[in-house]
Amino acid sequence: DAGVIQSPRHEVTEMGQEVTLRCKPISGHDYLFWYRQTMMRGLELLIYFNNNVPIDDSGMPEDRFSAKMPNASFSTLKIQPSEPRDSAVYFCASSLAGTGGMDGNTIYFGEGSWLTVV
Amino acid sequence: AQSVTQLGSHVSVSEGALVLLRCNYSSSVPPYLFWYVQYPNQGLQLLLKYTSAATLVKGINGFEAEFKKSETSFHLTKPSAHMSDAAEYFCAVSDPGSARQLTFGSGTQLTVLP
Repeated sequence: DAGVIQSPRHEVTEMGQEVTLRCKPISGHDYLFWYRQTMMRGLELLIYFNNNVPIDDSGMPEDRFSAKMPNASFSTLKIQPSEPRDSAVYFCASSLAGTGGMDGNTIYFGEGSWLTVV
Repeated sequence: AQSVTQLGSHVSVSEGALVLLRCNYSSSVPPYLFWYVQYPNQGLQLLLKYTSAATLVKGINGFEAEFKKSETSFHLTKPSAHMSDAAEYFCAVSDPGSARQLTFGSGTQLTVLP
């Protein structure tokens, strides 16, 4: 089974440019999460979706960040314009909703998109 | 609100020695608790989880953790460290009644010395 797939794995961009990060969740999972990891702030939840609908975006740092999930198998996180302080690893993750069951609350992470804004 | 505190941002052990990584949680309801591991340049991988069944939970790679409600702890242990265990370890908590959100601790970097 394929895990959560993220692209690009690495991106270096100039300040002011638009950055789009992509994610394909595990098939059948109906929750999708975007996390950001930095040395200073650790792992932060940016936004999560349930059945393609954004549920909580309170972690999105500012209006420069936006996320979409047009269908169950694809999500994007966009930064426009990008700034050096956005440099971080961005993780997409997904999980399966369900009643009970050992797997009900396991969140599966992608390998991350390593973003550097210069 | 839930929170997780990991004591010790860096832990060093000798190969073959006991590994003990500490995690304390705060939660207003009986929580679900998780340990994730992150190897260099990789994503997070689930090691084990507690979901209100047995308090002693066994995970992958010989790790285990014990849920102690009286101490609000969920420490991770492994009897004998291996060089391949060097990684960053994250404790996380979720509210079973919530929508799958995890609150992560700040992480503990484990170094295994030869």
